[in-house]
Amino acid sequence: GESVGLHLPTLSVQEGDNSIINCAYSNSASDYFIWYKQESGKGPQFIIDIRSNMDKRQGQRVTVLLNKTVKHLSLQIAATQPGDSAVYFCAENSGGSNYKLTFGKGTLLTVNP
Amino acid sequence: DGGITQSPKYLFRKEGQNVTLSCEQNLNHDAMYWYRQDPGQGLRLIYYSQIVNDFQKGDIAEGYSVSREKKESFPLTVTSAQKNPTAFYLCASSNYYEQYFGPGTRLTVT
Repeated sequence: GESVGLHLPTLSVQEGDNSIINCAYSNSASDYFIWYKQESGKGPQFIIDIRSNMDKRQGQRVTVLLNKTVKHLSLQIAATQPGDSAVYFCAENSGGSNYKLTFGKGTLLTVNP
Repeated sequence: DGGITQSPKYLFRKEGQNVTLSCEQNLNHDAMYWYRQDPGQGLRLIYYSQIVNDFQKGDIAEGYSVSREKKESFPLTVTSAQKNPTAFYLCASSNYYEQYFGPGTRLTVT
């Protein structure tokens, strides 16, 4: 079946640098994408989302880019801080489902002080 | 405070015993979900419910059961038929796409 995957399982950056976390999706019918942050031992927290009619969306220190041509999603974190260290998951709405999300395996971001 | 609560945070059981994990939400969300997360893995959907008294199997429903008698509550029972029950279990709720997650329950079966 179709699934969401990630290019890099781990990413290590220096504090203050920008971070880019990538995600590939294969279900062309998905029209909603979301990024979650999960700290160790906790539940995932919403970061930012984007619909397929957009190619970029910005939040506070975060930007999500969507390239539907190559089915690629990325999360950019500006001026990465130690508190950003976590696992980041992308998810898609399972081929257009109103409720079900399909999650990628996650990328572990480590920020070095 | 609005949110999702899961209890307990840690749960230990002997092999062969059924165990029920609690999930309560006061967000007035229609849909609720249960996921399983293994170390270094993503979230896998066990069951979900879009409305009271109705629920559907997810990708890994075997060995699990749920009920949805109230909008606020969606308990998950891990039965003795589940071959590898030790995992981190996450409950979520939503009214549309964005799912809100609880803090999780770490179940250890020995």
